[in-house]
Amino acid sequence: GAVVSQHPSWVICKSGTSVKIECRSLDFQATTMFWYRQFPKQSLMLMATSNEGSKATYEQGVEKDKFLINHASLTLSTLTVTSAHPEDSSFYICSAPSPYEQYFGPGTRLTVT
Amino acid sequence: QKEVEQDPGPLSVPEGAIVSLNCTYSNSAFQYFMWYRQYSRKGPELLMYTYSSGNKEDGRFTAQVDKSSKYISLFIRDSQPSDSATYLCAMSLQGAQKLVFGQGTRLTINP
Repeated sequence: GAVVSQHPSWVICKSGTSVKIECRSLDFQATTMFWYRQFPKQSLMLMATSNEGSKATYEQGVEKDKFLINHASLTLSTLTVTSAHPEDSSFYICSAPSPYEQYFGPGTRLTVT
Repeated sequence: QKEVEQDPGPLSVPEGAIVSLNCTYSNSAFQYFMWYRQYSRKGPELLMYTYSSGNKEDGRFTAQVDKSSKYISLFIRDSQPSDSATYLCAMSLQGAQKLVFGQGTRLTINP
């Protein structure tokens, strides 16, 4: 199947700083990518839909000014967590869809101290 | 009420047992139903994909969808320790677009 990578796989940052997470589709082009957040022992919650060449679409309750999404090319989407706080500590997963399947990245574990 | 309900478990069974995992949902417009497997600290991987009602079998795995009852199931036959993972049901209105996930069931197969 198709491959989606994420970088970094794990990041620790101090409260108040910003962190950028990259999501790449390695062997196919993706005009759309999805960003999910997963807290321990909980399910994936869709945060936003990243659209190449246009603004991201955010789910209800997700602060667009805090979670900046940029879909710079057909193979790269980035999520920047701005002014991170400990409550932003979570597992962030991106995915890229084909017609019948979403290919998920391996996830990025963010710890804010 | 959550759109998709899934018993989080944990569920622990002996090797070789038949495992039954289930989800219920409230939105009758869902057309696409999936089961994902997620190992600890990894991204989910697709196990089964079903469109509308019916059964689908792939090796030891069988997925069932009953749209009239808004109920989907995943059966694992001859379960193996390597099947130990969290299993997430997911569904969507359109193909692989915006997925709504269940909470996930943590499954352990004991040798």
